[in-house]
Amino acid sequence: DGGITQSPKYLFRKEGQNVTLSCEQNLNHDAMYWYRQDPGQGLRLIYYSQIVNDFQKGDIAEGYSVSREKKESFPLTVTSAQKNPTAFYLCASSIGWGGQPQHFGDGTRLSIL
Amino acid sequence: RKEVEQDPGPFNVPEGATVAFNCTYSNSASQSFFWYRQDCRKEPKLLMSVYSSGNEDGRFTAQLNRASQYISLLIRDSKLSDSATYLCVVNKHSGGSNYKLTFGKGTLLTVNP
Repeated sequence: DGGITQSPKYLFRKEGQNVTLSCEQNLNHDAMYWYRQDPGQGLRLIYYSQIVNDFQKGDIAEGYSVSREKKESFPLTVTSAQKNPTAFYLCASSIGWGGQPQHFGDGTRLSIL
Repeated sequence: RKEVEQDPGPFNVPEGATVAFNCTYSNSASQSFFWYRQDCRKEPKLLMSVYSSGNEDGRFTAQLNRASQYISLLIRDSKLSDSATYLCVVNKHSGGSNYKLTFGKGTLLTVNP
């Protein structure tokens, strides 16, 4: 079955540590996205990539980094500079860029130890 | 006015009831619209796109009113399994390759036996 796989489902970060969240899709989608969701809040865009080897900052990119070396993969690193990383992180993809509906992975919950 | 605004609810309805959600958006340049559902602690899933002429999918009807800048979702004959948070999503084209998908905070629906 085609889909988006995020791992791990749960992740704990120590102070000063960088952690990387994995996102892989086998839908052959060009565009990929990272969002964070806090309780009672809407999804906020962290980074997006329209095509392989390209990515752009979203609304809340500070303290995060990404790469897009392969079409299938869009990992997100939460750096120690992100002072409030506890959230539900969602990766999404869409067939193309330009308002296509997005399909989501099942998310990673990140907490601080 | 917020970019995308929804009544947070919660809406508590009995099985079999008809329930309607509204969503307003602030930017008249918005071009495409979607409803997603999100179960507790799960990822959002695309429920339906919203077309200018209105569209129906089984018990679900979506409508768009561009003049008043709102979209609606009507659920008929509510089932227990319809209990979820419903997210209104609006896409705006702001020139060139700049598109932005904005998520509302969601409306919580609980269908009671």
